[in-house]
Amino acid sequence: NAGVTQTPKFQVLKTGQSMTLQCAQDMNHNSMYWYRQDPGMGLRLIYYSASEGTTDKGEVPNGYNVSRLNKREFSLRLESAAPSQTSVYFCASSAGTAGNTIYFGEGSWLTVV
Amino acid sequence: GENVEQHPSTLSVQEGDSAVIKCTYSDSASNYFPWYKQELGKRPQLIIDIRSNVGEKKDQRIAVTLNKTAKHFSLHITETQPEDSAVYFCAASIYQHDMRFGAGTRLTVKP
Repeated sequence: NAGVTQTPKFQVLKTGQSMTLQCAQDMNHNSMYWYRQDPGMGLRLIYYSASEGTTDKGEVPNGYNVSRLNKREFSLRLESAAPSQTSVYFCASSAGTAGNTIYFGEGSWLTVV
Repeated sequence: GENVEQHPSTLSVQEGDSAVIKCTYSDSASNYFPWYKQELGKRPQLIIDIRSNVGEKKDQRIAVTLNKTAKHFSLHITETQPEDSAVYFCAASIYQHDMRFGAGTRLTVKP
């Protein structure tokens, strides 16, 4: 099992450009998440999908959109990138919505110039 | 919503010594408290977790204690080794989607 895989690993964008981060999990998990990690701020939830067909905002959703394409895949889209979105993005998944281990992908380093 | 504070932000110990990282949380309804280890450039990985019906949990050199009354929990690493050097994050939640992470503690174990 590969676990949680996300692409791309590194990306440089110009302000105003758009891009989509792709994520897939092969653990048959119901719930998937997108986090961003900034220095000194831990991990903050952008959006989540508790189950296939549902998506909800997390702590910091502004400037992002998501799509739960199927049970395996959950993508994150930046419609008009801003320098404040420079961050490391982690996709994650868990079997359920309470008290379950969250498994993280390897991360995507995004720089917006 | 939940707020998690983590201390210290950096911790340096000699190999073989113990390390303790402390976290406090604000929402008394939180019932799940995981700890993640993140090596440089890698993904966070769960090392231990505890639920609110348990006061302490141990796994080899790692232990976590929970004080629900005071709303704080701690990670204890004994007999530290250089490979324990990493950033450690605590978190607290009721549901996965309301999980809040601490800001992290950078642990350095000096040989």
